[in-house]
Amino acid sequence: GNSVTQMEGPVTLSEEAFLTINCTYTATGYPSLFWYVQYPGEGLQLLLKATKADDKGSNKGFEATYRKETTSFHLEKGSVQVSDSAVYFCALSGGGLTGGGNKLTFGTGTQLKVEL
Amino acid sequence: DAGITQSPRHKVTETGTPVTLRCHQTENHRYMYWYRQDPGHGLRLIHYSYGVKDTDKGEVSDGYSVSRSKTEDFLLTLESATSSQTSVYFCAISDLYNEQFFGPGTRLTVL
Repeated sequence: GNSVTQMEGPVTLSEEAFLTINCTYTATGYPSLFWYVQYPGEGLQLLLKATKADDKGSNKGFEATYRKETTSFHLEKGSVQVSDSAVYFCALSGGGLTGGGNKLTFGTGTQLKVEL
Repeated sequence: DAGITQSPRHKVTETGTPVTLRCHQTENHRYMYWYRQDPGHGLRLIHYSYGVKDTDKGEVSDGYSVSRSKTEDFLLTLESATSSQTSVYFCAISDLYNEQFFGPGTRLTVL
């Protein structure tokens, strides 16, 4: 079945540092890949997505490239801010549900803490 | 922000009692989902709906039931709550093949 593996946290960085959060996946077929972000006390928000190999998703300075050859979708940001402190989830969609729904498989999440 | 609300936002209950969580959307999306979030597990799908009165099980459906009598409402019921069902529950909505939008969550504690 489908699975997503992402790096353990927490990741603690100083403001303006470079961020990488690793995500690898196992899937049949051609899944779409997502990064979601969860701020404290809130629900998940879509950060970026990529729907096919070599696509790059980007938003708010974050980027991730869909690498089929390495089955990876690593999240990067060149200069993090304190406001980026949150939990980041990698997810893939695939394995259609009855009725055509979009099944998401999530990684366990990586907590990011950015300090001044 | 997608119009999704969940109620209640927090609930404390006792083992063996029934509990119903409500998800309400104003987006007229066809698909609705219930997830639970637990440390070390990410989010796991409990049940989902692909239309009014059309529902199916996810990967962790034991002890849960759902109902959808209107497009905008999706109810999750714990028939007899257990301590293992202490969790944060999220509702999500989507259109076909599009990303899912999540509600703010309900924190449930079963004593």
